[in-house]
Amino acid sequence: EVLLVESGGGLVQPGRSLTLSCTASGFNSGDYAMSWFRQAPGKGLEWVSFIQRKTYGGTTDYAASVKGRFIILRDDSKSIVYLQMNSLKTEDTAVYHCVRGGQDVWGKGTTVTVSS
Amino acid sequence: DIVMTQTPLSSPVTLGQPASISCKSNQSLVHSDGNTYLSWLQQRPGQPPRLLIYTISNRFSGVPDRFSGSGAGTDFTLKISRVEPEDVGVYYCMQATQFPLTFGGGTKVEI
Repeated sequence: EVLLVESGGGLVQPGRSLTLSCTASGFNSGDYAMSWFRQAPGKGLEWVSFIQRKTYGGTTDYAASVKGRFIILRDDSKSIVYLQMNSLKTEDTAVYHCVRGGQDVWGKGTTVTVSS
Repeated sequence: DIVMTQTPLSSPVTLGQPASISCKSNQSLVHSDGNTYLSWLQQRPGQPPRLLIYTISNRFSGVPDRFSGSGAGTDFTLKISRVEPEDVGVYYCMQATQFPLTFGGGTKVEI
């Protein structure tokens, strides 16, 4: 079964850091670009970050709202994609979903709450 | 950024009757490779989003054939031929032609 499982969410104070992990199973994640999306409470969907497969250069991209604060990384030997989130703001509070390539596989998400 | 506008915001439907959702972009979604990366996603209550339709009109694996997508350029439509109880949820259009990927605001389908 193709699965993406996110972990690492939690309650964090504004200005602090948190790293999310996404573990892939049932497929070779190294063959796919991967993304993070998020959904704030009661709101719609927002794309956060993207990382291309290494054979296509492993390039990354970020939403303007997180550029300079978030870093996306991948470790294909472990089938894990990370989202390193720094200088967190209250508006980063959301459920974060890891998503495969053409948005065909979504993880259930991990909740990040930024609050003092 | 490409702005995606969905209508209606909410769609009360009758079981067994059709439903239609419109999505418009403020610029063409035709990619330089010739494809149009317009997708439709369904989010049932308490669930993560699920891909229904990709590149305008291609149903993803396992999606019932009562769902269909159409359109071109900047105007797109998702149709449900006969609404079933499990179709309740929020539907989003999404463009992946250009970064940043952007979504419509969502359409809530309720019985």
